[in-house]
Amino acid sequence: SQQGEEDPQALSIQEGENATMNCSYKTSINNLQWYRQNSGRGLVHLILIRSNEREKHSGRLRVTLDTSKKSSSLLITASRAADTASYFCATASGETSGSRLTFGEGTQLTVNP
Amino acid sequence: SAVISQKPSRDICQRGTSLTIQCQVDSQVTMMFWYRQQPGQSLTLIATANQGSEATYESGFVIDKFPISRPNLTFSTLTVSNMSPEDSSIYLCSVEGAGGYYNEQFFGPGTRLTVL
Repeated sequence: SQQGEEDPQALSIQEGENATMNCSYKTSINNLQWYRQNSGRGLVHLILIRSNEREKHSGRLRVTLDTSKKSSSLLITASRAADTASYFCATASGETSGSRLTFGEGTQLTVNP
Repeated sequence: SAVISQKPSRDICQRGTSLTIQCQVDSQVTMMFWYRQQPGQSLTLIATANQGSEATYESGFVIDKFPISRPNLTFSTLTVSNMSPEDSSIYLCSVEGAGGYYNEQFFGPGTRLTVL
């Protein structure tokens, strides 16, 4: 079965606001990765958080991981129209390398100028 | 990260034909993967392509339908055989362990396939 579930499925905000997307999963993981996809193009890797980490930052991105609740969140601060895209979480489990990613259903973010 | 290219970027094919998609990486990587993204949906792993050995397929995907080659550490191909309209999807390759990133998976730009 699909590992990740994301909510909301769609999110519409104004430029300058913060956007929060959530991801839940079912099994134990080695790491969790967040990606962005613009209009059906390739995926852009945003950030990886390992199972022993609780929070990571990268620019305007903040990712949290709660392994006890099997959930993660992606926060985009001070959003821009260019942030409009689909955002996916993907979990890696099993071997520590060569891990197969299981993707969530994604959140479609629209940032209105 | 790695620079990953795919060819073709898009194609429109007739039912019953086959299409081979190429994936090229600018550095040697051990692990390469092929994913499918059906219209409006998320990504599903097709197989893991290992250099020097047979590809490992996920449940629901078989070698006769999706043969994969991995002749070296920078290149892989995925063939979509005997296509039907249900095969219309974006096909993406990804790599792990490139550019000093141990666990991150980076994706190619994808191949958008339409089957008529």
